[in-house]
Amino acid sequence: DAGVTQSPTHLIKTRGQQVTLRCSPKSGHDTVSWYQQALGQGPQFIFQYYEEEERQRGNFPDRFSGHQFPNYSSELNVNALLLGDSALYLCASSLDRESYEQYFGPGTRLTVT
Amino acid sequence: DQQVKQNSPSLSVQEGRISILNCDYTNSMFDYFLWYKKYPAEGPTFLISISSIKDKNEDGRFTVFLNKSAKHLSLHIVPSQPGDSAVYFCAASPETESYSGAGSYQLTFGKGTKLSVIP
Repeated sequence: DAGVTQSPTHLIKTRGQQVTLRCSPKSGHDTVSWYQQALGQGPQFIFQYYEEEERQRGNFPDRFSGHQFPNYSSELNVNALLLGDSALYLCASSLDRESYEQYFGPGTRLTVT
Repeated sequence: DQQVKQNSPSLSVQEGRISILNCDYTNSMFDYFLWYKKYPAEGPTFLISISSIKDKNEDGRFTVFLNKSAKHLSLHIVPSQPGDSAVYFCAASPETESYSGAGSYQLTFGKGTKLSVIP
C-alpha cells in the first residue's frame, strides 16, 4: 500500500521564478492538504483540497495556489518566489474532509536563491 | 502569535526510562489534539490523538494526557527506546467550521521537541 508520495525531492529556484510541486495521496484518500515547514518551525497549513476545490486556506498570499485532479493527486504552485519561501513543503492526505488524522509525505525541499 | 507551544526544544532520556513531552495551547476552540513523530528526511508520522471529551488516551507505550482547564497536554513514552529518538510535534484542530480564521480539521503545529533516547 503506497503512502503519500511527493516530487521532486529537492528543488533550487531563483527569486522571482515560479515552481510546481506534486503530491499523490495515500491509496483511498481523497483529501489533500499542503503545509510549509520553515527551518526550526512546525508545519504551517497552506490550504486543503477536496473534490477538486480549495476548501480551506491558511494565512498565505495568493502567490500560493493549487490544484487537485480527478485521481485526487494535487499540485502546489508558488509564483514570484521570495527568499523566504525556502522551506520544506509537506503534502498530507486524509480519508475525507472530516478526518483529523493526516498522513504526510516526505516533503519537497525548496531552496530559493 | 503561537497558538500551540512546545517550550522544550530538546529532551534527553535514558533507555528504559519515561519520556515526557509537553505542549501548551492558547486557542480555546481547539477540540482535537494529535502527536506526530518525525525522523530526518521523512514526513511526520501520526502517533496518537485525543479528543477534548477525554483526559487520557493510551496506545501501547504511548499515552497522551489532556488537561483542558490548563490548556496543556503531554505525551508519555514508557519505556523509552533508542528508536524513539525523533522530533515530536504537537498539533491541534478546532472541531467546527464556525471558528473564524481556521477551518475544521486544519492542523496547527507546535515547533517540535527533539527527543534523544540514550542507550
